[in-house]
Amino acid sequence: EVQLLESGGGLVQPGGSLRLSCAASGVTFSSYAMNWVRQAPGKGLEWVSAISGSGDMTYYRDSVKGRFTISRDNSKNTLSLQMNSLGAEDTAVYYCALAIWTGTRPTYWGQGTLVTVSS
Amino acid sequence: DIVMTQTPLSLSVTPGQPASISCKSSQSLLHGDGKTYLYWYLQKPGQSPQVLIYEVSSRFSGVPDRFSGSGSGTDFTLKISRVEAEDVGFYYCMQGIHLPWTFGQGTKVEIK
Repeated sequence: EVQLLESGGGLVQPGGSLRLSCAASGVTFSSYAMNWVRQAPGKGLEWVSAISGSGDMTYYRDSVKGRFTISRDNSKNTLSLQMNSLGAEDTAVYYCALAIWTGTRPTYWGQGTLVTVSS
Repeated sequence: DIVMTQTPLSLSVTPGQPASISCKSSQSLLHGDGKTYLYWYLQKPGQSPQVLIYEVSSRFSGVPDRFSGSGSGTDFTLKISRVEAEDVGFYYCMQGIHLPWTFGQGTKVEIK
């Protein structure tokens, strides 16, 4: 059974930084691309970033380019999202999602971690 | 970015009755590889999204056969043949042909 467990969320001031992690189990982690998808309170889903199974390809939505960095450690079955220069618009539940299909299209989702950007 | 538009945004259904959700994309989701990259997810109350349908009409593992997907090009439909209480939540379509992946606004399904 695929399990994804996010951590690292919390309250951060505008302009601050936060690092999210996602621990995967029940799957050969390095074989699959991973995503971060966020959901602002009471809103819909917004894809944020993705990374290939090997980690050599990364993708970002325009609004986070230059501020967020996705990475993975396949030896530890862990996905990360380093978030810098955070603003109120980044407040959301962040889900990691594993892609079993070709490309990075999300399949299995974690339970999410809440990031709140507020002074 | 590809815009995904769902209708209706809210649906109240009597148990045992059918339900249908429409999803339209701002451009064709037919890829040069012959596949159409349209997905349906259900987010039950207090839970993370779970995939129901991939590539328009393929049910994901464990998804009941009362869920079906259809469509082509830019117009797609999710149908629930007989709604059950456990089907409540928000339904989202997503295009997977061009990054950034984009989702519809979501359709809230409630039980009458």
